[in-house]
Amino acid sequence: GAVVSQHPSWVICKSGTSVKIECRSLDFQATTMFWYRQFPKQSLMLMATSNEGSKATYEQGVEKDKFLINHASLTLSTLTVTSAHPEDSSFYICSARGQGYPYEQYFGPGTRLTVT
Amino acid sequence: AQKITQTQPGMFVQEKEAVTLDCTYDTSDQSYGLFWYKQPSSGEMIFLIYQGSYDEQNATEGRYSLNFQKARKSANLVISASQLGDSAMYFCAMREGNYGQNFVFGPGTRLSVLP
Repeated sequence: GAVVSQHPSWVICKSGTSVKIECRSLDFQATTMFWYRQFPKQSLMLMATSNEGSKATYEQGVEKDKFLINHASLTLSTLTVTSAHPEDSSFYICSARGQGYPYEQYFGPGTRLTVT
Repeated sequence: AQKITQTQPGMFVQEKEAVTLDCTYDTSDQSYGLFWYKQPSSGEMIFLIYQGSYDEQNATEGRYSLNFQKARKSANLVISASQLGDSAMYFCAMREGNYGQNFVFGPGTRLSVLP
């Protein structure tokens, strides 16, 4: 149980275009999902916390208008990178918080974004 | 200040040997949780083991055990009988608060298992 999928697993796009990444909890309902960004050989950097039915809470320094997060249902959260630029190239990982103790996070397999 | 410190950027261990990966944390919460995740080169984050702040016994999961020293604020991961497939990045993480509102990761330790 507690499987999280992410789609696409990798994407290449041209500078100036927008890219949408989907994060789905497959066998449980996730009221809270998280979006992380990971640079090579570094740790996960939390970008935002997404709560179903409400606006996402962004971490300091993360541009809300650039990284649009929507959590429209209990099983789906999306991250849209708008007007992507090469510096947005990164590994993006989503996670869903477990419903009960110990409230661990279940991670998706990640999406590698390359902006050319 | 860093909430999670992993002082070993890289570690080597011989196959079949045991290895300890260090993790120290900083929190003023009484209720918190400590997690270890493994990230192989494929990128997915794999949950390994959990220790709650009120748990008196050290957590164990198969070959993984957690050496929890609350007074020292350390939660070291011990991997026994290392296997080649254990080569990966290992992240220590802390959940603060009762419901996982705050979840922070350490910088990670890259473990390489030598044949």
